[in-house]
Amino acid sequence: AQTVTQSQPEMSVQEAETVTLSCTYDTSESDYYLFWYKQPPSRQMILVIRQEAYKQQNATENRFSVNFQKAAKSFSLKISDSQLGDAAMYFCAYRSSYEKLTFGTGTRLTIIP
Amino acid sequence: DTEVTQTPKHLVMGMTNKKSLKCEQHMGHRAMYWYKQKAKKPPELMFVYSYEKLSINESVPSRFSPECPNSSLLNLHLHALQPEDSALYLCASSQESRPWVGYTFGSGTRLTVV
Repeated sequence: AQTVTQSQPEMSVQEAETVTLSCTYDTSESDYYLFWYKQPPSRQMILVIRQEAYKQQNATENRFSVNFQKAAKSFSLKISDSQLGDAAMYFCAYRSSYEKLTFGTGTRLTIIP
Repeated sequence: DTEVTQTPKHLVMGMTNKKSLKCEQHMGHRAMYWYKQKAKKPPELMFVYSYEKLSINESVPSRFSPECPNSSLLNLHLHALQPEDSALYLCASSQESRPWVGYTFGSGTRLTVV
């Protein structure tokens, strides 16, 4: 089974600053997909950003970007210009074409006004 | 329609009750999932229906039973639950032919067993 590790159980950042959440994974596959999901107190799991392993270019979605290091099996999420609405649990997730989604343990992000 | 709808949003049940959770999607996804999530933990996969075939996480007790009446609906039947089954139950769907899209999640049912 694949494993996904998030080494930061909690992080905090000042509003308008930048924060980076870490994620590492273990796989023997060459073709796979990585995701960051956000779960605010409203409970719904919302897809923030995704990366296809065969793509060398790092994905970007507005204030959210990733640093994908395939050789190091690292997939970090950078949030720029942090806003109060970014406060949530963030889960890194992995899947291949043949496997179901595997989640990391999550990072709770607090935004300090 | 790009949503997964779960009902009810909250449920309180006694240990002798029988209840059902409902999940519905109209995105044409052929895979649907039930997850159990405890506070501050990642979701744990319970069941998968993919092209009408059921896959079970063998650690899930038999007091939980899924049902897939059609490709848009997924139910979770609950019977004789224990207090430790209190959790957030999430439903998700995906299009297996497009794994890069990820899963679409519902907003969950908060279950309390008393």
